[in-house]
Amino acid sequence: KNEVEQSPQNLTAQEGEFITINCSYSVGISALHWLQQHPGGGIVSLFMLSSGKKKHGRLIATINIQEKHSSLHITASHPRDSAVYICAVTMSGANSKLTFGKGITLSVRP
Amino acid sequence: NAGVTQTPKFQVLKTGQSMTLQCAQDMNHEYMSWYRQDPGMGLRLIHYSVGAGITDQGEVPNGYNVSRSTTEDFPLRLLSAAPSQTSVYFCASSYTGPYSNQPQHFGDGTRLSIL
Repeated sequence: KNEVEQSPQNLTAQEGEFITINCSYSVGISALHWLQQHPGGGIVSLFMLSSGKKKHGRLIATINIQEKHSSLHITASHPRDSAVYICAVTMSGANSKLTFGKGITLSVRP
Repeated sequence: NAGVTQTPKFQVLKTGQSMTLQCAQDMNHEYMSWYRQDPGMGLRLIHYSVGAGITDQGEVPNGYNVSRSTTEDFPLRLLSAAPSQTSVYFCASSYTGPYSNQPQHFGDGTRLSIL
């Protein structure tokens, strides 16, 4: 069993829709990261959180430490949000090492 | 501010050839790492370093060597390229120690094909 699981595997939405991407993990962590990768592109860090909720523009990330679960929400989705969204965790005591989920491919149709 | 710079962006090699993927960062980060990304799999850690002169193996180190002679540079060497090493390689850096819970900064990737 992977230590970091993401769902759904692929996601298609219409422009303007509210989108939720989920991440579950099975180990103790010190931080959870949400990353974005556009097709053929590099990887950008969107959020790093260890508790509660963070917001940046149309993106909101939440984490529930007790349930070992995090969600990434996209409000008023746009075709430029089409990308792979990757969840990664820093395990407790692992210093800066990351363990990654497989990523979710999001396609937002105009 | 350049961030993390990887070179080359694309490379095609023949089986058995050797090459070095370059990674440099200008943020004075102690922690640097190399990942490979393959279809249907998450990013997998190849090697990492927590500071100059210190390196360690990750999840998939076989066939790769690293060194860290300076804080800025962390090259990845393929000793004898094999088709199984066809992948996209990413270098990343961040602070470590008491500041380890900081975002990681990734390079743009090197797309490597081994024929």
